[in-house]
Amino acid sequence: DVKVTQSSRYLVKRTGEKVFLECVQDMDHENMFWYRQDPGLGLRLIYFSYDVKMKEKGDIPEGYSVSREKKERFSLILESASTNQTSMYLCASTDLASSPFFGPGTRLTVL
Amino acid sequence: QQPVQSPQAVILREGEDAVINCSSSKALYSVHWYRQKHGEAPVFLMILLKGGEQKGHEKISASFNEKKQQSSLYLTASQLSYSGTYFCGTGGSSNTGKLIFGQGTTLQVKP
Repeated sequence: DVKVTQSSRYLVKRTGEKVFLECVQDMDHENMFWYRQDPGLGLRLIYFSYDVKMKEKGDIPEGYSVSREKKERFSLILESASTNQTSMYLCASTDLASSPFFGPGTRLTVL
Repeated sequence: QQPVQSPQAVILREGEDAVINCSSSKALYSVHWYRQKHGEAPVFLMILLKGGEQKGHEKISASFNEKKQQSSLYLTASQLSYSGTYFCGTGGSSNTGKLIFGQGTTLQVKP
């Protein structure tokens, strides 16, 4: 079974803090993704990575960066958290032979 | 550009049918359908890869009209377990696994 795990289900941070969201997959998938989910807007792609140390911007990369030092781990970084980054963050991975498999999500609140 | 889903929300009685549409302004190469229950990760339902293709999964099926750049999800004889938010994700020509998702359709099935 594909497993995508995210470091926290719920996270509360203060404005201006640096925030790290971690995602780990155990199926040796090449591609990994970070989406954010907001009511009425669906899932919007922030960044994706198709190999170690490779990354590409998605549709809404502003205010975020990512890191992929190992194949199984993809981190999303909020350099200086702001209240408009309060959202549900979903990580996904795929080997291109299947549709992306999602992790359980991290609900981030920025106060 | 995000695909557009319609309707935004639908309420059914058990046993009734529903259709959810997904339209894109760009050429479609693949359409992936997911269902998400409250507080959970989106779960993959099916993928459509060719124009005119129709796939089925229990009483849930989908069609893909490449020419019209749209896909439809058909839920037949709905059950309480069908409740949730349905998303379509569209894939581009580059086959990176990157999907652009619609805004979602919330389906509520009542007894």
